[in-house]
Amino acid sequence: KAGVTQTPRYLIKTRGQQVTLSCSPISGHRSVSWYQQTPGQGLQFLFEYFSETQRNKGNFPGRFSGRQFSNSRSEMNVSTLELGDSALYLCASSLSFPSSYNSPLHFGNGTRLTVT
Amino acid sequence: AQKITQTQPGMFVQEKEAVTLDCTYDTSDPSYGLFWYKQPSSGEMIFLIYQGSYDQQNATEGRYSLNFQKARKSANLVISASQLGDSAMYFCAMREGGGSNYKLTFGKGTLLTVNP
Repeated sequence: KAGVTQTPRYLIKTRGQQVTLSCSPISGHRSVSWYQQTPGQGLQFLFEYFSETQRNKGNFPGRFSGRQFSNSRSEMNVSTLELGDSALYLCASSLSFPSSYNSPLHFGNGTRLTVT
Repeated sequence: AQKITQTQPGMFVQEKEAVTLDCTYDTSDPSYGLFWYKQPSSGEMIFLIYQGSYDQQNATEGRYSLNFQKARKSANLVISASQLGDSAMYFCAMREGGGSNYKLTFGKGTLLTVNP
């Protein structure tokens, strides 16, 4: 069974640009979450989607947005990039319907975004 | 206040020996799940083991076991018979059952180095 797939693996963008990251969950998983990982802040929750609806959102500015498609694939968009957006962005999927506290998240390899 | 505390920034262990990685948590929710993840230098977050707040027995998964002490709010990961491939960052994380936000809250992590 294929794991969570994130594309691309690496991205280099300049300040002010926008970027779209893609995530394909494990087959059958309908809940997709996004996390940002930086050396200073550690791992922080961005948002969670289930059945094409955003269910929860972390404490990030509106420049960070996402969506989920009918096949459960998800995209994350960051507009007007800032240097501080440089991070590893991790996508995770969950089997539970809906996602619950006792359901592990299964992560992808991440997309490493560098903003120059 | 920190919800997940990992007090060991780095740990060293000899190959084939056992090692314990510490994790304490803070929650007033009676329903919660505790998770351990491994993150090699490649970036992928690998789910290792889960312990639920209502579980009576400590969780075990192969060489991984979780020493769950509910009254002390600790959930230490024990790795037996360490292997060179165990060298990685290890994160303790929690999902709380109250409300509708089941985001994973992570600790800062412990960098484990296994020496030959």
